[in-house]
Amino acid sequence: AQSVAQPEDQVNVAEGNPLTVKCTYSVSGNPYLFWYVQYPNRGLQFLLKYITGDNLVKGSYGFEAEFNKSQTSFHLKKPSALVSDSALYFCAVREGGGFKTIFGAGTRLFVKA
Amino acid sequence: DADVTQTPRNRITKTGKRIMLECSQTKGHDRMYWYRQDPGLGLRLIYYSFDVKDINKGEISDGYSVSRQAQAKFSLSLESAIPNQTALYFCATSAGTSGVDTQYFGPGTRLTVL
Repeated sequence: AQSVAQPEDQVNVAEGNPLTVKCTYSVSGNPYLFWYVQYPNRGLQFLLKYITGDNLVKGSYGFEAEFNKSQTSFHLKKPSALVSDSALYFCAVREGGGFKTIFGAGTRLFVKA
Repeated sequence: DADVTQTPRNRITKTGKRIMLECSQTKGHDRMYWYRQDPGLGLRLIYYSFDVKDINKGEISDGYSVSRQAQAKFSLSLESAIPNQTALYFCATSAGTSGVDTQYFGPGTRLTVL
């Protein structure tokens, strides 16, 4: 069965510092991996995805994520955090060829000025 | 204008009442989904529809029903609301092409069942 784990409920970082939001996954086949962001009173917005190819994926708003097959991880990163990055971040996985997307529980990112 | 809209945005109701949440999209997508979001649990799939004639149960469909009135419209009903259905409900769409299937979400409906 597919599963996604986001081990941190909250990540705190100072503005200008690098940030990492962690995600690990479990699928039986090839994974399709996604990151979404949710701002207050808004729906989820797509940030980036990994399907195949280069393990480092670049997405919206300066975010990137690194796919690590041996560690079954897909951590979200940004070199320099902004206060406006404060939001709830969801990792999601779908087994390649499947149709059901499984979402993690979410990690709240708080960037302090 | 928003691509995926949901009405109402907020609703407070009483136990036993019938509630309908509506979703409309202008993205031209075939696939539509209903999720509920609870703190600490992420999003859980209630129902999904790959086209007007194809409706499927998700992982938590008990107590819910859906109707796909047209390609652009997908409504979620709670026939007899109960307090543990208090949650944030999201509609989403996807194109369904090539299996990649990025989803696009509406703004959500906050439902409170007293």
